[in-house]
Amino acid sequence: DGGITQSPKYLFRKEGQNVTLSCEQNLNHDAMYWYRQDPGQGLRLIYYSQIVNDFQKGDIAEGYSVSREKKESFPLTVTSAQKNPTAFYLCASSIIHNRVGNQPQHFGDGTRLSIL
Amino acid sequence: KNQVEQSPQSLIILEGKNCTLQCNYTVSPFSNLRWYKQDTGRGPVSLTIMTFSENTKSNGRYTATLDADTKQSSLHITASQLSDSASYICVVSSSGTYKYIFGTGTRLKVLA
Repeated sequence: DGGITQSPKYLFRKEGQNVTLSCEQNLNHDAMYWYRQDPGQGLRLIYYSQIVNDFQKGDIAEGYSVSREKKESFPLTVTSAQKNPTAFYLCASSIIHNRVGNQPQHFGDGTRLSIL
Repeated sequence: KNQVEQSPQSLIILEGKNCTLQCNYTVSPFSNLRWYKQDTGRGPVSLTIMTFSENTKSNGRYTATLDADTKQSSLHITASQLSDSASYICVVSSSGTYKYIFGTGTRLKVLA
């Protein structure tokens, strides 16, 4: 079955530590996204990528970094510069946005990151 | 400012009853509006997508409506089931951009 796999499901970060969240998709989608979900707020875009080796900052990119070396993979690193990283992180993919038409974003099941 | 507002924030209904969730948006230029269902601890799953020219779309017991003039959408759930307990998120996308504007969701609880 095609889909998006996020790992790990739960992650704990120590002070000063960088952590990396994995996102893999086998839907052959060009576009991939990282969102942060906090209680009482809508999903906020961290980074997105339309094509391999290219990515753009979203609304809340500070303290995060990404890479897109393969079409299937879009890992997110939460750096020590992100002072409030506790949240639910969701990865999504879609057909490239300017042809998105009626195609939905497909989401993974998220990674919950907490501070130790 | 592009915004999506949903109401109510939370809702409790008895199994078998119907309910309607509301979404108002100020996104412009409008491309399409989506409703997603998100179970606790899971990622959102698409229910319906509507473009400017569509005013009703159904997916089983879920029926979404769109009034592009008043910039309002609703999601009607018929004959609710316990498995309908989830958050329902309204998302609006703007033409020519990567942006999806997410509402904060309505948390629905269906009781036996």
